[in-house]
Amino acid sequence: AQKVTQAQTEISVVEKEDVTLDCVYETRDTTYYLFWYKQPPSGELVFLIRRNSFDEQNEISGRYSWNFQKSTSSFNFTITASQVVDSAVYFCALSSMNRDDKIIFGKGTRLHILP
Amino acid sequence: EPEVTQTPSHQVTQMGQEVILRCVPISNHLYFYWYRQILGQKVEFLVSFYNNEISEKSEIFDDQFSVERPDGSNFTLKIRSTKLEDSAMYFCASRTTTGDGETQYFGPGTRLLVL
Repeated sequence: AQKVTQAQTEISVVEKEDVTLDCVYETRDTTYYLFWYKQPPSGELVFLIRRNSFDEQNEISGRYSWNFQKSTSSFNFTITASQVVDSAVYFCALSSMNRDDKIIFGKGTRLHILP
Repeated sequence: EPEVTQTPSHQVTQMGQEVILRCVPISNHLYFYWYRQILGQKVEFLVSFYNNEISEKSEIFDDQFSVERPDGSNFTLKIRSTKLEDSAMYFCASRTTTGDGETQYFGPGTRLLVL
């Protein structure tokens, strides 16, 4: 069975602080994908990143960075120098590397960036 | 940049009525999906569709639900007799098979309210 756990339901930080969103996953597949999506108050799902299970290199994109560790089945997301516009719900997700497999989402972490 | 579109953005209906939610996937995409998100909860997989047939469906996708690709561009989700618990945001997603084929791109969602 596949499962994604985001233990942090809600986080509040003051603008310009760094914040890390935790994600732990479970899967029996040897090859899989991990994702992060952002859901702003307007409701749409914004794709942020996809990682392959065989690529454990950390990734940085501007103020965003991701730390993938297979040994601990974690795929954490860090926002550096947070901004008010980062306020949103962030979902970590997982899918198998099958041809047409579904995405399994975590319950999300609601992030509040306070001015 | 190509994007998935969904109509309507909002729909209000009476319990027991039929609703059809419409999606136009990205034009060269071959895999299509519906997900739903009950207010404040996580995004849940409903169904995947490929080559004009359902590939996989979840327990949520019971006989009240059906999907169709009536022409070369639209992908629809029909709920035959809506229940109060069908109130949710419904997301359509699509992906291709090559290049970035592992990433599902989501539409903006249709917010369905059943009264």
